[in-house]
Amino acid sequence: GESVGLHLPTLSVQEGDNSIINCAYSNSASDYFIWYKQESGKGPQFIIDIRSNMDKRQGQRVTVLLNKTVKHLSLQIAATQPGDSAVYFCAGDNFNKFYFGSGTKLNVKP
Amino acid sequence: GAVVSQHPSWVICKSGTSVKIECRSLDFQATTMFWYRQFPKQSLMLMATSNEGSKATYEQGVEKDKFLINHASLTLSTLTVTSAHPEDSSFYICSARVRENEQFFGPGTRLTVL
Repeated sequence: GESVGLHLPTLSVQEGDNSIINCAYSNSASDYFIWYKQESGKGPQFIIDIRSNMDKRQGQRVTVLLNKTVKHLSLQIAATQPGDSAVYFCAGDNFNKFYFGSGTKLNVKP
Repeated sequence: GAVVSQHPSWVICKSGTSVKIECRSLDFQATTMFWYRQFPKQSLMLMATSNEGSKATYEQGVEKDKFLINHASLTLSTLTVTSAHPEDSSFYICSARVRENEQFFGPGTRLTVL
């Protein structure tokens, strides 16, 4: 199956700064990726997605970048807020099933 | 947006007993639901794909006789952990596919086996 992993387990940022969370994947056949946010004790929430025919997609305060050459994607959060504190996962599609990366915990310091 | 519920939200049971967890799509029909397991400080691990009206397909290493999945209607899938043991204690999360590549997650069920 798909192997999706993250570089950093924990990221601490100051409120107002930008955050960058990274993710690497191994299956070059994956053509769709999603970033999820998970707060403690809750299910994952969709943040943003990107298809493999794109290299960048922007949402509200979030941007996902996809580099297919090195099989890497990142999530950028602008002006990080305390409410952004959570664990962030990337997930890659493999035949309409999603496999999750190990997660990065984002701590936003006031 | 699409809402997925799970029941119960938490359950404590004795070792050797069976526990049933329900996953419901509240405002849409889902022919496909997914079951995930998440251990503390770890990622979600896909356990199985639940298909309405047919047998579930299990990921490699997941015991189908231990984790029984039933998807009897377009809005309900159940996961039964049979003969639960402490190592089955985990956070179980379901999701329902709305359309291709789009799924919504339930809030999760925390299972503690004593």
